[in-house]
This record gives sequence, structure tokens and C-alpha cells, in this order.
Amino acid sequence: AQKITQTQPGMFVQEKEAVTLDCTYDTSDPSYGLFWYKQPSSGEMIFLIYQGSYDQQNATEGRYSLNFQKARKSANLVISASQLGDSAMYFCAMRERSQAGTALIFGKGTTLSVSS
Amino acid sequence: NAGVTQTPKFRVLKTGQSMTLLCAQDMNHEYMYWYRQDPGMGLRLIHYSVGEGTTAKGEVPDGYNVSRLKKQNFLLGLESAAPSQTSVYFCASSYPAGDMNTEAFFGQGTRLTVV
Repeated sequence: AQKITQTQPGMFVQEKEAVTLDCTYDTSDPSYGLFWYKQPSSGEMIFLIYQGSYDQQNATEGRYSLNFQKARKSANLVISASQLGDSAMYFCAMRERSQAGTALIFGKGTTLSVSS
Repeated sequence: NAGVTQTPKFRVLKTGQSMTLLCAQDMNHEYMYWYRQDPGMGLRLIHYSVGEGTTAKGEVPDGYNVSRLKKQNFLLGLESAAPSQTSVYFCASSYPAGDMNTEAFFGQGTRLTVV
């Protein structure tokens, strides 16, 4: 079974609009971390935001916020006031304990296209 | 500050050839990872290491071997390359994740084509 599920292969939004990228995860461990990364067309991986499983408040970083719904095992990324430069692939990832330390597992990604 | 450096950036191999991808990090990170990225599949973990001299299998380890002889280096080997191993390979590193809050820093990727 997939550990991280991103159900939206592609999303389209206009500049200045808000957009939500979906992410659900599967783990039985009470301790885990959730991450979002951005990959522009140039290929580099850029860390955006982190949410810990014990965090009471939703994480925010500038225009990025993470809508964390623990009971639903959901960690959606919200981008407010989209910009053309937000066009990229976005990956949700989870760090959980494994046989050797912890492993960082990624979803399949969502391609976001922002138009003017 | 170099961060995570992957060598080479591009490579074309013939089926059956072997090669080693090198990942070097200068951040004194304990954890290092190798991923492959294929269209529609996201990043899939191949192998990872939680410290010098240790390695562990990830989601898709078959056909690959790794070694972590020095803390700063993590090598990914393909003993007998197959066309199915055509992919973009990413290396990443992070601090120990005792509290899970440790982002991974990525290299620029290696584009490997097996013909």
C-alpha cells in the first residue's frame, strides 16, 4: 500500500488565487513528520514546509500553510496568492521510523500550473 | 557552501555495464539517501544510510548496491545496468531525525540513460 498518496496529477490556478494540493498518508506510528517539497522545471528539490505529528498548530511559512488533519491522515498544502513562479511539481513526503533509523518516503507528486 | 554534490550529472550506459554514482555532502549529516525519479512515479527510495558504515534497503533496492565508507560520501552502484534503470537519481542528506523535524537536502540529480 502507498504510504503517501497525492491524488491530483495536475492542478491549474490563476495568479493571485489560492490553491490546495492534497496529500494523505498511511502510518501506524504515532511519531512521524510530514514535508512538502517543490521541484521547478530546473529539477532541484526545494523544501517548503514541515509538520510534526505532535504539533497542535498547522505549520505556516510565508504563503505556504499546511492543513493538518490528523484523524483523517491528511496533510494538504495551501498556497495563498499564487504566483507564476509557483508553477512546479510539488511532492508530499513522510518521515517515519523504520528498521534502520527513519526513512523519508515521497508521494508521486502534483504538477501545479499557474497562469496569468 | 557546496551542500550535496552528485557526480556525474549525466551518463549514458550500455546494457550490462556497471557504474558508480557518487554523492558527497559537506554538512556533517548522519543520514544519506538515494532516490530515483521516474515520470508519474514520484521519488522512490532505493537505499539509505543512518551513519558511516551502515546501509538499509528502501522501496526499490533491487539491482543497486550502496556503500558508506566515509560519513561524507554515499555511493550507489549498478553492477549490470538495465534499461529499466534509466532514471534521474537524487541523493539527499539530513541530520539524525530523533524528533522527525529534519529536512533533507538534495543534490542536483544525475540523469542516467541505459541503452
